[in-house]
Amino acid sequence: EIVMTQSPATLSVSPGERATLSCRASQSLNSNLAWYQQKPGQAPRLLIYDTSTRAAGIPARFSATGSGTEFTLTISSLQSEDFAVYYCQYYNNWPPWTFGQGTKVDIK
Amino acid sequence: EVQLVESGGDWVHPGGSLRLSCAASGFTFSLYDVHWVRQPTGKGLEWVSAMGTAGDTYYSDSVRGRFTISRENAKNSFYLQMNSLRAGDTAEYYCARSRGYEAFDIWGRGTIVTVSS
Repeated sequence: EIVMTQSPATLSVSPGERATLSCRASQSLNSNLAWYQQKPGQAPRLLIYDTSTRAAGIPARFSATGSGTEFTLTISSLQSEDFAVYYCQYYNNWPPWTFGQGTKVDIK
Repeated sequence: EVQLVESGGDWVHPGGSLRLSCAASGFTFSLYDVHWVRQPTGKGLEWVSAMGTAGDTYYSDSVRGRFTISRENAKNSFYLQMNSLRAGDTAEYYCARSRGYEAFDIWGRGTIVTVSS
């Protein structure tokens, strides 16, 4: 079973700054890697799929890249609505569908 | 509007049973795989179960043998029958959809299951 490890657990960032979140896999992956955003009291929302493709309606300040075992989500200029928890997920070698443990982005 | 709506969450004693439902609307339900994902309060996401369009079923190790997923395409709905519930099953349960090797693009708002004496 593939294990997804996200870092850091918490990232404190000031509004307007860049945030870089990491997701590392226990073995090499293909491009079937997604990122989800979850705000308090809300369901997860798909941000990125296929490693780097933004989902419908997701602003361009969200970008992602990666290959092999290392994947990154970047938020170029944090807005107030971006403070949330972010999860990566690998959706190719299922079951199971594996999520990382999440990175919380909070206000510095 | 494309949406999924969960129902059926409740408080139940350990060893008890509960059936969750997820109602789909706004899309051709029969073309999509369906999932249950849970999240204990303050914790991360855990995939629980899935059912493909052909009726194939999948379970996490933590629920296999206790939970059963099913779907009724005619009713645009799917279900999670949960038996032999444990305190560790306490969580918010989300339903979600995907297609084949694709991400979970639509999620419901969740329903809360509490297992406690």
